[in-house]
Amino acid sequence: DTGVSQDPRHKITKRGQNVTFRCDPISEHNRLYWYRQTLGQGPEFLTYFQNEAQLEKSRLLSDRFSAERPKGSFSTLEIQRTEQGDSAMYLCASSLSGRAWNEQFFGPGTRLTVL
Amino acid sequence: SQQGEEDPQALSIQEGENATMNCSYKTSINNLQWYRQNSGRGLVHLILIRSNEREKHSGRLRVTLDTSKKSSSLLITASRAADTASYFCATGSTSGTYKYIFGTGTRLKVLA
Repeated sequence: DTGVSQDPRHKITKRGQNVTFRCDPISEHNRLYWYRQTLGQGPEFLTYFQNEAQLEKSRLLSDRFSAERPKGSFSTLEIQRTEQGDSAMYLCASSLSGRAWNEQFFGPGTRLTVL
Repeated sequence: SQQGEEDPQALSIQEGENATMNCSYKTSINNLQWYRQNSGRGLVHLILIRSNEREKHSGRLRVTLDTSKKSSSLLITASRAADTASYFCATGSTSGTYKYIFGTGTRLKVLA
């Protein structure tokens, strides 16, 4: 399968614990995006990378959230000291950059439940 | 935060009928894209329309864009039960960023 993959698919954690999610984009894609989606809502932009550079972060991304893409390939999203309000689906997407906008390819998401 | 809203929030039609959903947005855009999301799954890209385009077709899909009204519509013709999903518009701005802002979505149900 050469699509975007995310791991784990589901994560249940207790409030206050740290969690880390991984996203593997399509191999030739140099842009990588993280979104958060709650039930009945559209995806909310969190951050995006071009290669290894994190170019933009949403105000939604509090200091408990950190994302990395160390070698410009896979990315991790870490949430420290999780809160119940962090429960959501975390989606990763990748796209090919160029002068034009391109479609995003989404992974299946990681569903986080904070108890 | 969401860029805009889809309308209606929910739509239920019979198989074979056409489905129209609308997207309104707030800021100047470079392009607008439509995505489909089946229940509990990732999003699938449907179509991209650039700000200098007014209409685009792809199979049973027709997308229009009116930048003066900051709105777009997605028409699905001859709907099928498999079209049951949530549909989202996503906008790319002109402000030098490549982030996408999604709308709130329309939940479409096609009854067999």
